[in-house]
Amino acid sequence: AQSVTQPDIHITVSEGASLELRCNYSYGATPYLFWYVQSPGQGLQLLLKYFSGDTLVQGIKGFEAEFKRSQSSFNLRKPSVHWSDAAEYFCAVGAPNTNAGKSTFGDGTTLTVKP
Amino acid sequence: DAEITQSPRHKITETGRQVTLACHQTWNHNNMFWYRQDLGHGLRLIHYSYGVHDTNKGEVSDGYSVSRSNTEDLPLTLESAASSQTSVYFCASSDPGGLAGSNEQFFGPGTRLTVL
Repeated sequence: AQSVTQPDIHITVSEGASLELRCNYSYGATPYLFWYVQSPGQGLQLLLKYFSGDTLVQGIKGFEAEFKRSQSSFNLRKPSVHWSDAAEYFCAVGAPNTNAGKSTFGDGTTLTVKP
Repeated sequence: DAEITQSPRHKITETGRQVTLACHQTWNHNNMFWYRQDLGHGLRLIHYSYGVHDTNKGEVSDGYSVSRSNTEDLPLTLESAASSQTSVYFCASSDPGGLAGSNEQFFGPGTRLTVL
């Protein structure tokens, strides 16, 4: 079965600084990978996803993520953080060709942005 | 625009009562999911459905049930509410088309349930 680990429970960055949120997965082959964002009191919204091809994927709101098979990682990055990026971020993994649409979620990383 | 809605948004109930949380989506997605979100546990899958009359147990299904009588709705029932079921509940849906498993989930706004 697949699993996801987000090592950082809470990260604080200054507005304008760069951001990297870590995600490690466990799966026997190349999985499908997702990053979601949850603003306070809201449901989750997809930022980006990877399922094949170019290992650097671009998402909404200026986010990108890089799939690294050798490290079983799918880290989320943003070059310059805005105050509105403060939220909780979830990495998720899905198994190709099985359980269509069923994903396993990490425990999330809470991002705080300092002015 | 298509959307996924949940009702009620907030609910307070007493231990032992039956509670039903509604989820309605207009995406026409076959796949629907219920999660609970608790501090330190992220999202945990309760039940899911791949179509009408199909239901499956997730990792934390004890004390919960679902039924799928149409494409749009997947109500979640707590048979006898317990304090341990105090949580925020999210419904989600996804389109099974394309590469199986490659499609993201669309989430509702959540229901905050308190069991006293």
